[in-house]
Amino acid sequence: DGGITQSPKYLFRKEGQNVTLSCEQNLNHDAMYWYRQDPGQGLRLIYYSQIVNDFQKGDIAEGYSVSREKKESFPLTVTSAQKNPTAFYLCASSDDTGIPSQPQHFGDGTRLSIL
Amino acid sequence: GQNIDQPTEMTATEGAIVQINCTYQTSGFNGLFWYQQHAGEAPTFLSYNVLDGLEEKGRFSSFLSRSKGYSYLLLKELQMKDSASYLCAVRDSNYQLIWGAGTKLIIKP
Repeated sequence: DGGITQSPKYLFRKEGQNVTLSCEQNLNHDAMYWYRQDPGQGLRLIYYSQIVNDFQKGDIAEGYSVSREKKESFPLTVTSAQKNPTAFYLCASSDDTGIPSQPQHFGDGTRLSIL
Repeated sequence: GQNIDQPTEMTATEGAIVQINCTYQTSGFNGLFWYQQHAGEAPTFLSYNVLDGLEEKGRFSSFLSRSKGYSYLLLKELQMKDSASYLCAVRDSNYQLIWGAGTKLIIKP
């Protein structure tokens, strides 16, 4: 079954610690995205990648980093510079960014909390 | 700035009909999406509108008026499993998705 797998489902971060959230897709999609979801707010774009070895900052990239070494993988690192990391993180992918009707497909999310 | 407005929460009765509204002000318009998200789960795609009018898909329909910057999602014959948040998102001129905060729909027996 094709889909997007995020792990872990729950993650706890200590002060000064970097943590990495995994996102893997087997949909053969070119584009991948990371969003942050906070209560009462819409999804906010952190980073996105339209092709391997290339990625762009979204609206709230500060304190986060990504890599795209393989088409199927787009890990997100939450660095110690992100002072308010507690949120629900969603990874998404889409087939062709040139077609406006193409929906994004989402993983089940990772809930990150501060210890 | 870009803005998408949806009601925060709505309550409806099982078997009834509910309409969830979405108004938007964005830099350009390349279509509007509706997603369903159960608590703690992935958003799942429901519909896409780019032309004015009503698109029907089973119990769910979505309407768009580009001149008014307005859309609604209509859910008929409500079932308990329809209890979820419904997210409205607009694809802007840069092809990015701008998301509303979502409407939490509570279904009562």
